[in-house]
Amino acid sequence: QKEVEQDPGPLSVPEGAIVSLNCTYSNSAFQYFMWYRQYSRKGPELLMYTYSSGNKEDGRFTAQVDKSSKYISLFIRDSQPSDSATYLCAMRDLYNQGGKLIFGQGTELSVKP
Amino acid sequence: DTEVTQTPKHLVMGMTNKKSLKCEQHMGHRAMYWYKQKAKKPPELMFVYSYEKLSINESVPSRFSPECPNSSLLNLHLHALQPEDSALYLCASSQPGTGNGAQHFGDGTRLSIL
Repeated sequence: QKEVEQDPGPLSVPEGAIVSLNCTYSNSAFQYFMWYRQYSRKGPELLMYTYSSGNKEDGRFTAQVDKSSKYISLFIRDSQPSDSATYLCAMRDLYNQGGKLIFGQGTELSVKP
Repeated sequence: DTEVTQTPKHLVMGMTNKKSLKCEQHMGHRAMYWYKQKAKKPPELMFVYSYEKLSINESVPSRFSPECPNSSLLNLHLHALQPEDSALYLCASSQPGTGNGAQHFGDGTRLSIL
């Protein structure tokens, strides 16, 4: 079993839809959670960074962390064609001084006009 | 535009060549990373430098040789690479330690080995 599981998709939605992207994990020591967006032929771009449990909102994006269920989510409201990209969840534990991130496999999202 | 700059953007080299990839960041970060990414896969960590010292080597073959000349520069020296080394090579930076460890990535160097 992988430490972080993420449905690779592809996920196709119409413009304006609410998108829900999810990751589950097995390591209860994970404390820092990130979502990255990666466009084709570009590097991953940090979208959201959260510590421990709770919600964080930034514009059309909301990140949720439920440590009791070992489950994190990214919601995209009013999705746009420009949101079409691969979304990667990543996490690391409190004691990992080296900063090693554990990534999910990435979900490929397509938003159709 | 990203705050982590990588050069060159594309590189084609033969298996006997020696080349170097370069990465520069001006965010004041003291941890820098090299990742390898194959198509439709997540980035795989190769090396971590913390305060200009190599802190993690993920059992990377010796044909890849990292170097951190100062706190804002990171190089990856390549020699005698194999066709399976063709990939996107990403550099990232962050603050080290257990504080704000969010990593910021460059756009990578797309490497093709002939």
